[in-house]
Amino acid sequence: GQNIDQPTEMTATEGAIVQINCTYQTSGFNGLFWYQQHAGEAPTFLSYNVLDGLEEKGRFSSFLSRSKGYSYLLLKELQMKDSASYLCAVLDSNYQLIWGAGTKLIIKP
Amino acid sequence: DGGITQSPKYLFRKEGQNVTLSCEQNLNHDAMYWYRQDPGQGLRLIYYSQIVNDFQKGDIAEGYSVSREKKESFPLTVTSAQKNPTAFYLCASSIGGDSYEQYFGPGTRLTVT
Repeated sequence: GQNIDQPTEMTATEGAIVQINCTYQTSGFNGLFWYQQHAGEAPTFLSYNVLDGLEEKGRFSSFLSRSKGYSYLLLKELQMKDSASYLCAVLDSNYQLIWGAGTKLIIKP
Repeated sequence: DGGITQSPKYLFRKEGQNVTLSCEQNLNHDAMYWYRQDPGQGLRLIYYSQIVNDFQKGDIAEGYSVSREKKESFPLTVTSAQKNPTAFYLCASSIGGDSYEQYFGPGTRLTVT
């Protein structure tokens, strides 16, 4: 079966750094997405990794290791507005997105 | 402004009634998708369409139906056969071809009692 694992919930402090991990076991791999979703709202695109390594985009970075079936999203200089769920999704061999359950990130002042 | 609209934001129905959720996009995207989101679970694909007048079942299509008569529109009908219809429904679209980034609408929260 296909499986994507993320921690259910994480807590961090405003101004700090947090790393959200995602491990996957899927039938094929054609890339990995990270989305941000505020409560009751639509997911919005954060990053897409298809090759190994780190991609940096402002305060957010995403890392991929295909051999380990592992990715992480790194958020720096945390702000209160970063409180949201972060969804990891893998594009499988049929080019369908397989979604993790999401990690709820709580930022404390 | 280009985007995806879903209406209404909240919808209440009695058990045994069919209900249709609207999804419209003006992004000129070829592909459109319907997902449901339940607490503690990842998004689950209900139906998707890669081109007008064609659509495919996703992982949980039972109890749902769709149509794609126009490029801009992909309505979802939740039928009385769907055993647990109360959920948050998200519509998404993507350009198609080799582009797989999906853009989401604001969602419809359906409650069936």
